[in-house]
Amino acid sequence: EVQLLESGGGLVQPGGSLRLSCAASGFTFSSYAMNWVRQAPGKGLGLEWVSCISDGGASTYYADSVKGRFTISRDISKNTLYLQMNSLRADDTAIYYCAKLLGSNSMHDAFDIWGQGTMVTVSS
Amino acid sequence: DIQMTQSPSTLSPSVGDRVTITCRASQSIGSWLAWYQQKPGKAPKLLIYKASSLQSGVPSRFSGSGSGTEFTLTISSLQPDDYATYYCQQYNSYSLTFGQGTKVEIQ
Repeated sequence: EVQLLESGGGLVQPGGSLRLSCAASGFTFSSYAMNWVRQAPGKGLGLEWVSCISDGGASTYYADSVKGRFTISRDISKNTLYLQMNSLRADDTAIYYCAKLLGSNSMHDAFDIWGQGTMVTVSS
Repeated sequence: DIQMTQSPSTLSPSVGDRVTITCRASQSIGSWLAWYQQKPGKAPKLLIYKASSLQSGVPSRFSGSGSGTEFTLTISSLQPDDYATYYCQQYNSYSLTFGQGTKVEIQ
């Protein structure tokens, strides 16, 4: 079964750091670009794409809201995706999902598999 | 960044109704559009990719159409399990962007 399992969320003070992990199983991890998407809690708050990394890890993209503060990476030997989050702010509070691209060896595709999400709360 | 605008924001159809949700892009995205369904407390689920391709395992009552800047998601006959929030997403160019969502709620 294709599965993504996030971990690493929690409560952190403004200005602090946190590293999220996403363990992948059931597919050839090295063949697929991977993404992080977040969703702030509360009524009517939608989905915000955060970052993408290519299958081999050579290419990365970031939303303007996190550029310079967050770093996406992957360890193919561990089938794990990471998101290093530094200089955290209150508006980074959200559920963070990792998501796999539908097609292999591509950076332009829909997200067919999502993890269950991990909650990050930035508050003093 | 490409802006994605969905309409309406909320719908209150009855079971059996035909439901149409519209998504407009601020510039042409070809057919690089996906639709997702999300239920409370759950991750989004892919319904449609490349504007009109039905994801494996998704009921055929869901369909997508459009290209360029205007897209629609249609549910031909709404079922009780379809009450959820629906999002469009463009993946033509980075930064990837989602619409704000359309909530299909029980009347």
